[in-house]
Amino acid sequence: DTGVSQNPRHKITKRGQNVTFRCDPISEHNRLYWYRQTLGQGPEFLTYFQNEAQLEKSRLLSDRFSAERPKGSFSTLEIQRTEQGDSAMYLCASSPRDRNEQFFGPGTRLTVL
Amino acid sequence: AQTVTQSQPEMSVQEAETVTLSCTYDTSENNYYLFWYKQPPSRQMILVIRQEAYKQQNATENRFSVNFQKAAKSFSLKISDSQLGDTAMYFCAFIAMNRDDKIIFGKGTRLHILP
Repeated sequence: DTGVSQNPRHKITKRGQNVTFRCDPISEHNRLYWYRQTLGQGPEFLTYFQNEAQLEKSRLLSDRFSAERPKGSFSTLEIQRTEQGDSAMYLCASSPRDRNEQFFGPGTRLTVL
Repeated sequence: AQTVTQSQPEMSVQEAETVTLSCTYDTSENNYYLFWYKQPPSRQMILVIRQEAYKQQNATENRFSVNFQKAAKSFSLKISDSQLGDTAMYFCAFIAMNRDDKIIFGKGTRLHILP
C-alpha cells in the first residue's frame, strides 16, 4: 500500500472552466476527507465521506463544488465555473474505521488564470 | 466552535539545537485528540505526534515530544537535536472525538533549521 494518492498533482485552468480531481485513499480506510489549503494557511475542511455517504459539508463548499465517492473507494471533487479565488492546494485524507488519525495525500495544486 | 492558534509564524534555529513550537486551542469538548503535522516544502503532510486529551502523560516520538497542558489548553511541540530535514511547516491540529471528524488546523509555523 503506497498511501493516499491524488491526481492530477497540478492543474492550470482558465476561469470559467470545470475541473475534476481524484483521490484514491488507503485501501480499507472507510473515511475520506477533502481539505483546501491556501498559501500561508492551514488546511480547511471541505467535506467528508464515510464509505459512500457524504456526511458533512463545510460552508466553504459552494454550489459550484461537488464531491462523490460512488463505491466507497476513490472520490472525485469537481469545481464548476472556476474562479480565481478557487486557486489553492486541494488535499485529500483518509482514516481507518477505528482511529481518528488522518493520512494525507500529496494534494492537487489548482491555478485558475 | 473549536479554534487552534499558532502564534509563531516563522522560526529559525541552528542544527542540533532544541526548539519549541507553541499552540493553544479553544474548545468546550472534553474528549479530543491533538496532533502536530509536518509539511515539508512541496511534500505531503505527515503526522509527527498525537496526544489523547484523556491521557495525562505527554506523548513522545523519538526526538519529538509535547507539553500538553489541558487546563491551559496549550499543546507545544519540542524538537530535540534538530536536523536539516526538520525544515518544514508545522501545523497544530485538533479533532473532537465522537462528534464530527473534521480536523481543525492552526495557521502553521514555518521552521527553518540552519546548518
